[in-house]
This record gives sequence, structure tokens and C-alpha cells, in this order.
Amino acid sequence: QQKVQQSPESLIVPEGGMASLNCTSSDRNVDYFWWYRQHSGKSPKMLMSIFSNGEKEEGRFTVHLNKASLHTSLHIRDSQPSDSALYLCAASSSNYQLIWGSGTKLIIKP
Amino acid sequence: GPKVLQIPSHQIIDMGQMVTLNCDPVSNHLYFYWYKQILGQQMEFLVNFYNGKVMEKSKLFKDQFSVERPDGSYFTLKIQPTALEDSAVYFCASRRDWGGDEQYFGPGTRLTVL
Repeated sequence: QQKVQQSPESLIVPEGGMASLNCTSSDRNVDYFWWYRQHSGKSPKMLMSIFSNGEKEEGRFTVHLNKASLHTSLHIRDSQPSDSALYLCAASSSNYQLIWGSGTKLIIKP
Repeated sequence: GPKVLQIPSHQIIDMGQMVTLNCDPVSNHLYFYWYKQILGQQMEFLVNFYNGKVMEKSKLFKDQFSVERPDGSYFTLKIQPTALEDSAVYFCASRRDWGGDEQYFGPGTRLTVL
């Protein structure tokens, strides 16, 4: 069973709208969460990381983390066509391994 | 920012041949990873490597696969012999330390097995 679950699998958002992506870990040892973005034909690039309860904002991107429920969410406001990509969530505990979710495919419709 | 390099970017080989994929990780990184991604699908973990040893490998890391990093040179993934289902993009990644350290990805090697 996948230890990191992402939802939804795919999401279509109109340009200028808000995209909300979710990620939950079933491993209670997890301490660290990352969000990576992968454009088609490219390698994943780290978008944001969050390690503490609460919220973190960088430009149009906001991540939330609830450590009690091991749930993180990524919100993209004023979505642009260039935000269309595969969004990957990764989680790790204090070891060498990152556990990856299967991703959310985000499509921003002009 | 830190860059992971991968050579070659594309490789086409006949089924049954051997192939070696090369990765030049970030210079002060200690943990190295290989991932496999079939077009349009999720990225799948193959193996991670630290201090000259495989730390963990997935079920996808078949007996035909091997990794090494001789004398701090390239971190390599060798497949011998290759099979049709090995066709995919292979991403190398490296990380300075564990815990909260970010993983950096190379641009990938697209492997086509005919």
C-alpha cells in the first residue's frame, strides 16, 4: 500500500483560479514533507518544503501541514498555464529514504 | 543552484545488450538515488546508495540491475541484460544528508530498448 497518498489524481483549474492539492502519509514516523513540480519531459524540481505545523507562503504558493494527521496541502492562487505540471509530494522521517506519492496532474485551462 | 548531471541524455539499444547510465551528483552530496519513470506515469524508486553500499532497493530493482560509484567518480546504473520493459526515463538524484535535506534531480536519461 502506498505510504504517501495524493489527491486528486488530476485536476483542471481555469486560469486565474485556485488549485488545491492534497497529500497524506500513513507512516507516523514522517517528519518532513516536500512538494516537487515536474513539467512534461523535465525532471522534478523542489517547489516547497514544510517541516513544522502551520502554513508557509512563497508568492502564489502556500503549503499547509498538520502533523497530527500527517496531511499537507499545496494551494496555488491565480493559476497560470505554466503551472500545468505533475505535482509530486514526498515525505521522509529521519533517515535516508524519501517516500513519493503518485502525483497530481494539474491542468490550467486558459 | 546545485546541479546533477546525467550522461547520456538518450540511449537506444537492442534487447539483451548491456547499458550503463551515468550520473554526476552534486559534489558534497552523500546519498544517491535512481528512479524510473515511464512516460506519463508516476516516478518509481529503484535504489539508494550511501558510503559505497546499497541502502535500500525496490522490487523494480531486478537482479539484472547494479549500481556503483567507484572512487568518487560517476554513480552508475548498469542493466545487463536489458529487456523491453526497461524502456523508460531514468532519473538520478542526490542529497547532501538525510532528514530535512532536499533531493536534487538530474535531467534524466531516456532509455529505449528495441
